[in-house]
Amino acid sequence: NAGVMQNPRHLVRRRGQEARLRCSPMKGHSHVYWYRQLPEEGLKFMVYLQKENIIDESGMPKERFSAEFPKEGPSILRIQQVVRGDSAAYFCASSPSGEKLFFGSGTQLSVL
Amino acid sequence: EDQVTQSPEALRLQEGESSSLNCSYTVSGLRGLFWYRQDPGKGPEFLFTLYSAGEEKEKERLKATLTKKESFLHITAPKPEDSATYLCAVQETSGSRLTFGEGTQLTVNP
Repeated sequence: NAGVMQNPRHLVRRRGQEARLRCSPMKGHSHVYWYRQLPEEGLKFMVYLQKENIIDESGMPKERFSAEFPKEGPSILRIQQVVRGDSAAYFCASSPSGEKLFFGSGTQLSVL
Repeated sequence: EDQVTQSPEALRLQEGESSSLNCSYTVSGLRGLFWYRQDPGKGPEFLFTLYSAGEEKEKERLKATLTKKESFLHITAPKPEDSATYLCAVQETSGSRLTFGEGTQLTVNP
């Protein structure tokens, strides 16, 4: 059983471009979470989704950020018009029941 | 709002020198307290879940304990491969997301 798969591992964008981060949960997991980790800081919750539904987006910035988890395919975290402050490691986690979370290896976003 | 505070921020040990990491938490209702290990450039790796005060769990050289206000991660006779950042997180009864502390960066020297 493959773990949580995130791609790309590294993503470089120029200011103003769009970033799309993908997350394929573990087989049988219907709960997906996105976290952001800034350098020398802890993991900060962004959003919690189940298939086709956003359950909790209280940690998501109000502008430029969006997330989806469609019926088919991976979960996508989308950042429009990136700024340098968006540079961070973005981690996806999945869970079969909304209890124990299993994390992917993350996507390191660098904004030039 | 949930709060999780870990101490110390960083800890250096000699191989074989046992110690403990602390996680203090404030939560309206605790569903579970989680310990994760994170290596540089990788995602957090699950270690333990504790559900109620007095509970203890062990895995190799690690033992996690829980009280109503804090959790400890005891490391017995650590080895260099135990070097990592150890993260503590709480999950509320009313929700599913985890709230993480800042972590303790552990270095074990040979």
